[in-house]
Order: sequence, then C-alpha cells, then structure tokens
Amino acid sequence: ETGVTQSPTHLIKTRGQQVTLRCSSQSGHNTVSWYQQALGQGPQFIFQYYREEENGRGNFPPRFSGLQFPNYSSELNVNALELDDSALYLCASSPTDRGDTGELFFGEGSRLTVL
Amino acid sequence: GENVEQHPSTLSVQEGDSAVIKCTYSDSASNYFPWYKQELGKRPQLIIDIRSNVGEKKDQRIAVTLNKTAKHFSLHITETQPEDSAVYFCAAVETSYDKVIFGPGTSLSVIP
Repeated sequence: ETGVTQSPTHLIKTRGQQVTLRCSSQSGHNTVSWYQQALGQGPQFIFQYYREEENGRGNFPPRFSGLQFPNYSSELNVNALELDDSALYLCASSPTDRGDTGELFFGEGSRLTVL
Repeated sequence: GENVEQHPSTLSVQEGDSAVIKCTYSDSASNYFPWYKQELGKRPQLIIDIRSNVGEKKDQRIAVTLNKTAKHFSLHITETQPEDSAVYFCAAVETSYDKVIFGPGTSLSVIP
C-alpha cells in the first residue's frame, strides 16, 4: 500500500510569485485535506476535497486554491506569494465518507520559503 | 468555527514519570478527538483517538479522557521513555465539514 506522497519537498520562491504543490493520496482514499504548518505551530486547516469537490475551507484568502483529480490526487495553488506564506504544507488523505471521520494519513510535506 | 486550545506548550519530564497534556474545544457538536505525534522533521501520526460516546480509552502506556460537559480532553502517557520526545497535537473534528482542527501543540521532552 502506497502512502501519501508530496512534491516538491522543498522550494524557494519570491514575493508575488505563484506556486503549485502536489499530493498523491493513499490508495483507496477519496478525501484530501491541506494544512499549513508554520514553524512551532499546529497545522492550520486550508481546505478539504472530497470526490473532486471542495468540502470545507479554513480562514485562508482566495489566493489559496486547490483541485482534486479523478484519481483523488490533489494540488494546492498559492498566488501572489507573501512572506508569511513560508511554512510546511501538509497534505493528508483519509478514506472518509461524509459523517464518518477517521484517521488522517499525512505526507512528509512541502517546505515553502518565500523571500 | 471550532477552536482548540492546548496546555502546556512545553513539558519536560524524567524518564519513567507520567506526562499529561490538556486540551479544550469550543464547538459542542464536535464528536471526534484524535491525538497526533510529530517527531522532529517527520509527518504527524495518529497515536490515539476517542469518540464522544466514550469517556476514556487506553492503549498500552497511552490513555485519553474526554469530558464533553466541560469540553475538554486529556492525553496521559505513563512510564515515559526518551522516544516519547516529540510534539503532540490534540485535535477536534468539526462535524459540519469533517475537518480536523488542531491545537497549537505541546513539545514533550523526556530526560533520560
């Protein structure tokens, strides 16, 4: 069974640029959630995708957007990067059907540095 | 929306002692409370969870208690070992979206 994989693992961007982060969910998982983890803090919920549709969003501006594909892999896009966007971005998948929350399986994360 | 608070932010214990981490949540509709452990440079991993129809759950040296009336839950680690050193996150599930809301974390150091 293949776990959650994310790419790239590290990247450096400058303010104003755009970035795309990718996530392959664990086999059989149809739900993907994205989290932002700043240094020394807990993961902050960005949004969740369930069967290719956004299924909830945290307190993040519209320049954070996402997609989920038919194979349940997902992308996180961030436009107009700001210095505060520097963080570890974690993707987590779960086999959750609505109303039956269970364990999140995290990837290793993509560490974004904005200069 | 749901808000999760966690205390203490750092905790140092001697090997063999017990460690207790406490969390509170705001949304009375939350019904699932997982705990994740994140070792330095690694991904968070689930160590134990509890649902609202249960008051306590134990798995070897780890136990979690839940008080739904007071909206707080706690993680108890007994006979701590150096490999227990990590950051621990409590979380609560906002049932409207099934999204998992994390607390700010507790950095546990177990001193040999």
